[in-house]
Amino acid sequence: AQKVTQAQTEISVVEKEDVTLDCVYETRDTTYYLFWYKQPPSGELVFLIRRNSFDEQNEISGRYSWNFQKSTSSFNFTITASQVVDSAVYFCALSEVEGGANNLFFGTGTRLTVIP
Amino acid sequence: DAGVIQSPRHEVTEMGQEVTLRCKPISGHNSLFWYRQTMMRGLELLIYFNNNVPIDDSGMPEDRFSAKMPNASFSTLKIQPSEPRDSAVYFCASGLGALYNEQFFGPGTRLTVL
Repeated sequence: AQKVTQAQTEISVVEKEDVTLDCVYETRDTTYYLFWYKQPPSGELVFLIRRNSFDEQNEISGRYSWNFQKSTSSFNFTITASQVVDSAVYFCALSEVEGGANNLFFGTGTRLTVIP
Repeated sequence: DAGVIQSPRHEVTEMGQEVTLRCKPISGHNSLFWYRQTMMRGLELLIYFNNNVPIDDSGMPEDRFSAKMPNASFSTLKIQPSEPRDSAVYFCASGLGALYNEQFFGPGTRLTVL
């Protein structure tokens, strides 16, 4: 079973629209970390956010916001008023840390295209 | 400040040849990670080092793959012998401390094995 599921393979939106990228994860650990990374056309992944499993507060950073809900094992990412520069592949990831685990699982990514 | 540096950026080789990918982490970072990205398997963690010591290499696909970190500023990922299915983009990332901290990725090496 996939540890991290990003069901949306590709999304296209028109500039200035809001868009939400879904991420569902699976773990039995009570302590874990969730991440979002952006991979622009240039190729290198860029860190966006990390949340630990004990912090369910939503976070906002400019046009970006994240909704972490343990009840549904989801960590969704919303871009408000999308811009062409937001076009990229976005990866959600899970790190399990209990029992000495050194695991980091990435989802398959969601390719976002923002059309001008 | 320079980010993570990887070389070469592109490598084309023939099956059976040895391939060595290189990485220079960000100065001051004590963790280094090697990843492989393919269309079929997505992004996979191959191995990671902390303070130059390999912590977990369970992601290394086969004995043909090996990684070293002789000092804090240099790491290599070697494939010997290479096979066409090794074709992928290989990323190096560095960070501070554990696997679950923020990682800074290099631009990747696109490897093509003919």
